[in-house]
Amino acid sequence: GQNIDQPTEMTATEGAIVQINCTYQTSGFNGLFWYQQHAGEAPTFLSYNVLDGLEEKGRFSSFLSRSKGYSYLLLKELQMKDSASYLCAVTDSNYQLIWGAGTKLIIKP
Amino acid sequence: IAGITQAPTSQILAAGRRMTLRCTQDMRHNAMYWYRQDLGLGLRLIHYSNTAGTTGKGEVPDGYSVSRANTDDFPLTLASAVPSQTSVYFCASSDRSGGGTDTQYFGPGTRLTVL
Repeated sequence: GQNIDQPTEMTATEGAIVQINCTYQTSGFNGLFWYQQHAGEAPTFLSYNVLDGLEEKGRFSSFLSRSKGYSYLLLKELQMKDSASYLCAVTDSNYQLIWGAGTKLIIKP
Repeated sequence: IAGITQAPTSQILAAGRRMTLRCTQDMRHNAMYWYRQDLGLGLRLIHYSNTAGTTGKGEVPDGYSVSRANTDDFPLTLASAVPSQTSVYFCASSDRSGGGTDTQYFGPGTRLTVL
């Protein structure tokens, strides 16, 4: 079956750096997405990786290793507004998005 | 303002009643999707449409139906609601014209409670 694994919850301190990991086992691979979802709101697009390596976008970076079925989202200079759930999703061979359950990130002052 | 709208924002429904959740997008995206999101579970695809006039079943289609008469609208119907359909429902759309990332953009969601 298809599976996306990410930690259920993480805690970090304001101003620090946090890395949220995602491992996947899917039938085929056509790209990996990270979304941010604040409580009670819709998911919003953060990043997309289809080739191995690091994609940097401001305070957020996303890394992909296709051979290891692994990605991480790196958040730097954490702010209180970064408290949210972070969703990892993989596009499979049928171009359907397979979603992880999300990682709830709690930022403490 | 470009984007996706959903209606209603929330609804409490008696079991056995029929309900249609509305979704409209103005981005001219060809693909649209309906998901449900339940606590502790990832987004689960109910139905999708790759282009106007076509629809397909997702992971959890039972008890739901959709139609795609035009590019902009993608309503989701619960023919006879049951308590297990209590959830938050998100509509999304993407541009599947090829050459792009096919990023999905989400509406604000509908919180549905079936009693």
